[in-house]
Amino acid sequence: DVKVTQSSRYLVKRTGEKVFLECVQDMDHENMFWYRQDPGLGLRLIYFSYDVKMKEKGDIPEGYSVSREKKERFSLILESASTNQTSMYLCASSPRAGSGYQPQHFGDGTRLSIL
Amino acid sequence: GIQVEQSPPDLILQEGANSTLRCNFSDSVNNLQWFHQNPWGQLINLFYIPSGTKQNGRLSATTVATERYSLLYISSSQTTDSGVYFCAVEVYGNNRLAFGKGNQVVVIP
Repeated sequence: DVKVTQSSRYLVKRTGEKVFLECVQDMDHENMFWYRQDPGLGLRLIYFSYDVKMKEKGDIPEGYSVSREKKERFSLILESASTNQTSMYLCASSPRAGSGYQPQHFGDGTRLSIL
Repeated sequence: GIQVEQSPPDLILQEGANSTLRCNFSDSVNNLQWFHQNPWGQLINLFYIPSGTKQNGRLSATTVATERYSLLYISSSQTTDSGVYFCAVEVYGNNRLAFGKGNQVVVIP
């Protein structure tokens, strides 16, 4: 079974702090994704990566950056946290495009509060 | 970008009842998934169903790609079926999922 592990379930940080959210998957998937989920807005894609050291902007990349130094790990970075980044953050992974059956599998999420 | 609309947005069911959730999308898609988000926030894969019909226990799903919609059927609902159901689609060659806003389902005993 695919396992996507996010480092924290709950996290509280202060405005202006640099925040790291970590995600690890154990299925050797090429693709990894970061989403945020807000009430009434569903899930929105922040960034994704289709290979080591590769990254692509999603729909709402402003205020975020990502790092993928190893295939299994994808980090989301809030360079200078702000209160409007308080949200639920979800990481996902999937096999590479073109492999046919390629569902995305999600971690349990991190509820981040910025005070 | 592609639009994904789910209906109804909210649904209250008596335990044992059946229901149908609908997902409409505005463009041709390469992939469609249904997810269930439980009250603890965990997002669970239900179906990977770009076309055709699949069944898994009391749940089944049908996607009619040519008409750009998918249906999720819940039969003999249980309280554990409560939560939010999301439909998500991937546009061909795009490698990204676009999510609907979800169907909030509450099953009461």
